[in-house]
Amino acid sequence: ETGVTQTPRHLVMGMTNKKSLKCEQHLGHNAMYWYKQSAKKPLELMFVYSLEERVENNSVPSRFSPECPNSSHLFLHLHTLQPEDSALYLCASSQEPGQYYNSPLHFGNGTRLTVT
Amino acid sequence: AQSVTQLDSQVPVFEEAPVELRCNYSSSVSVYLFWYVQYPNQGLQLLLKYLSGSTLVKSINGFEAEFNKSQTSFHLRKPSVHISDTAEYFCAVSEIQGAQKLVFGQGTRLTINP
Repeated sequence: ETGVTQTPRHLVMGMTNKKSLKCEQHLGHNAMYWYKQSAKKPLELMFVYSLEERVENNSVPSRFSPECPNSSHLFLHLHTLQPEDSALYLCASSQEPGQYYNSPLHFGNGTRLTVT
Repeated sequence: AQSVTQLDSQVPVFEEAPVELRCNYSSSVSVYLFWYVQYPNQGLQLLLKYLSGSTLVKSINGFEAEFNKSQTSFHLRKPSVHISDTAEYFCAVSEIQGAQKLVFGQGTRLTINP
């Protein structure tokens, strides 16, 4: 298996549920990212990890909790979400963090999250 | 901080017609420019990028984009589109120095009609 794999593809959860999104990359990259994609809005960078260390947190509410146990795996733990959190959540990886000119992002297919 | 504006949220065209997807950016410093494409039910993938040198850059599937510094634009063009080009296209910019954040535009949905 190659590339960036995200599971599940779809997730419906109530506001009181706890769920987790999973991302796995098979590219040997050192950096991993979580993005939020909402309709008619630019992609929003949520978190950046470099070699399992969080290097960027863009003012994301604490109901989103990332975890990076190793350089190949990234999780997004969800708790007490709001309906406005419904979106496509994209995971990405790159060889190095931030050097987009020579280390392009490789995206997974995303998890479509619906909060009811 | 840099920003990106994609002027059209949706662009419908007929198959084999030409298309232009517009992108303008704002930045106080020099930038790298990118176009990403998102096919239905998939993640984004890099289509082409401008780093330096020739202002006209091309992709392997017939798209091209031209960097215009005076107009701060990086419009994407294709002379003849195919049904398989149906996708959402995102322009993105990264400053050459400094924080090197990658900032995306809102996206343009390209729909090809037979």
